[in-house]
Amino acid sequence: EAGVAQSPRYKIIEKRQSVAFWCNPISGHATLYWYQQILGQGPKLLIQFQNNGVVDDSQLPKDRFSAERLKGVDSTLKIQPAKLEDSAVYLCASSLDGTAFGEQFFGPGTRLTVL
Amino acid sequence: SQQGEEDPQALSIQEGENATMNCSYKTSINNLQWYRQNSGRGLVHLILIRSNEREKHSGRLRVTLDTSKKSSSLLITASRAADTASYFCATPPRGAGGTSYGKLTFGQGTILTVHP
Repeated sequence: EAGVAQSPRYKIIEKRQSVAFWCNPISGHATLYWYQQILGQGPKLLIQFQNNGVVDDSQLPKDRFSAERLKGVDSTLKIQPAKLEDSAVYLCASSLDGTAFGEQFFGPGTRLTVL
Repeated sequence: SQQGEEDPQALSIQEGENATMNCSYKTSINNLQWYRQNSGRGLVHLILIRSNEREKHSGRLRVTLDTSKKSSSLLITASRAADTASYFCATPPRGAGGTSYGKLTFGQGTILTVHP
């Protein structure tokens, strides 16, 4: 079974530039999550999709972050403009149905460095 | 905010020894999950324990849960160099179920180093 795919794996940008990350979840998984993991911390949820609808974006900094999941499959996360504190690993995860007991499968992540 | 807090922050042991790490959480839960993260395989789900369970085993892993103390522990027996990784506890918000309750709140993690 193919896992969660993410690209790019690494990205270096200057502050105030924009950047986009892509995620392809496991086939058939209805729920998709984006997490931000700052060095030395655990992942923090940014947004959760169920199919192509948003069910939780309470921790997404909406003034600069946006995300979409067109057709309920792939998803993109965008940052515009980036700040120094956005340097982190961005993890995408998917689960079959998004319930509290569902196992989440994580992609390899995109490591973002903002200079 | 972090729901879980792992203890210790770092643990260094020799191969063959047991490793124990602890997690404390703040709010009521319906389950608690442990994840492992290393550079090779990324973040991987290890085990889930439900709030009505006190202990669960999976291979060399043993997890306990004490809901009265809001704490959990993960024991890795007969550790191997390949167990070197960061270990996180994670909890979903308590609720009746449904899609909004799948999101996980992770702790800061315990960095485990197993020396050959």
